[in-house]
Amino acid sequence: AQRVTQPEKLLSVFKGAPVELKCNYSYSGSPELFWYVQYSRQRLQLLLRHISRESIKGFTADLNKGETSFHLKKPFAQEEDSAMYYCALSPGGGATNKLIFGTGTLLAVQP
Amino acid sequence: DVKVTQSSRYLVKRTGEKVFLECVQDMDHENMFWYRQDPGLGLRLIYFSYDVKMKEKGDIPEGYSVSREKKERFSLILESASTNQTSMYLCASSSSLVRPQHFGDGTRLSIL
Repeated sequence: AQRVTQPEKLLSVFKGAPVELKCNYSYSGSPELFWYVQYSRQRLQLLLRHISRESIKGFTADLNKGETSFHLKKPFAQEEDSAMYYCALSPGGGATNKLIFGTGTLLAVQP
Repeated sequence: DVKVTQSSRYLVKRTGEKVFLECVQDMDHENMFWYRQDPGLGLRLIYFSYDVKMKEKGDIPEGYSVSREKKERFSLILESASTNQTSMYLCASSSSLVRPQHFGDGTRLSIL
C-alpha cells in the first residue's frame, strides 16, 4: 500500500537549533517526493521536491531509497519557520499526479 | 502566478442540506483535486479530475460527488451534508504529471 508516515505531530526547537522533520514512505515503484508547508493563515504551498535537489529557505531533503525516507532538514531554525509541514508522495505514471500526504508535523521554533 | 480560488472561506450549513463548494483556477490546468484537511489526519484526497467531465475517486469519496463541466472549474458536492463532514476543504490544480500542485486558501465548512 502507498503510505506516507510523519511520526511527529509536533516538533519544538529553539531558534538557531538544527531541525529534522521525519518522513518515511511506503511505495514499491519510483515515487516523486515533496514537502509542502502551511504558514499560519496562509494557503498550503510547495516547499521543495526531491527531483529539484535544491535548497529552499535553507531547507534541504534527500531521498534515501534504501531507508525509504525523505527527511526535511535545516541547520539553523528561524522563528519564521514555524508552520505545519506535510510530506507527500506522487506515485507517478498514469494520467494524473495525485498526491498522498502524511499527517503533518507542526514545527514550533521558540525564541 | 497560479491562482486557485475557492468561492467561500467559511461556510455553515445544516445536516441534510446539499452543499456546493466551488473552485476555479486561471492557468488552464488539466488536473484538479479536492482534499479535506483534518487535525491528526493530514490531507486526504476526496476526488480528482484530469480533464473536463473526467473524474476519479480518491481515498475518501463516500458522501461526496464532483462536477467538472469546464476546465477551469471543479465543484465538490455534498449530496446530504452530515456533521462528520465538518472540515477544512482544499482545492488544488496542476498542469501535468511533473508539475507540483497549487492550492487554494481553503473553505472551512461547518455542518450543524
